[in-house]
Amino acid sequence: DTGVSQNPRHKITKRGQNVTFRCDPISEHNRLYWYRQTLGQGPEFLTYFQNEAQLEKSRLLSDRFSAERPKGSFSTLEIQRTEQGDSAMYLCASSLPTGTDTEAFFGQGTRLTVV
Amino acid sequence: AQKITQTQPGMFVQEKEAVTLDCTYDTSDPSYGLFWYKQPSSGEMIFLIYQGSYDQQNATEGRYSLNFQKARKSANLVISASQLGDSAMYFCAMRRPSGGYNKLIFGAGTRLAVHP
Repeated sequence: DTGVSQNPRHKITKRGQNVTFRCDPISEHNRLYWYRQTLGQGPEFLTYFQNEAQLEKSRLLSDRFSAERPKGSFSTLEIQRTEQGDSAMYLCASSLPTGTDTEAFFGQGTRLTVV
Repeated sequence: AQKITQTQPGMFVQEKEAVTLDCTYDTSDPSYGLFWYKQPSSGEMIFLIYQGSYDQQNATEGRYSLNFQKARKSANLVISASQLGDSAMYFCAMRRPSGGYNKLIFGAGTRLAVHP
């Protein structure tokens, strides 16, 4: 499978715990994105990496959230001290670097439930 | 402010019929790109079709076509010859500028049900 891979697919955690999600993009894609999707809504942009550089962060990404892409390949998204409002689907996407018709390819997401 | 509006929370269509899913957008930028994605129950967002703001012709991809009316700021998705496998959530999204990175603004989506 050469698509975007996300792990785990599902995560249930207690409020206050830390969680970490992993995203493996399509190998030749140097651009990587994280989105959050709450129930009944479309995805919302969280952050963008070009290679290992994090070039944009949404205001949605509070100081409890941190994303890394240390070697410009896979990325991790960590949420510290989880709250019930963090319950959502976290989607990762990747894309090629150039072109006006370059679409983002999404993974199947990690569904987080905070109890 | 940039915004995508999908006014149809749910639609149903008979198998083999055509269906139109509505999308209107709001932006003051002259350069933008419009996308449609399909999200089945598995969760993955599947790219369907793209239209650039400077494209003169409406985009088509197999059974999918985009009815782009720039003056009305609408980008409706037309699915011809609906199949049972088309049942899913459909999201309209915008990227600014058209050649920028994929910081997408999504609408709330339309749930399509295809009946046999």
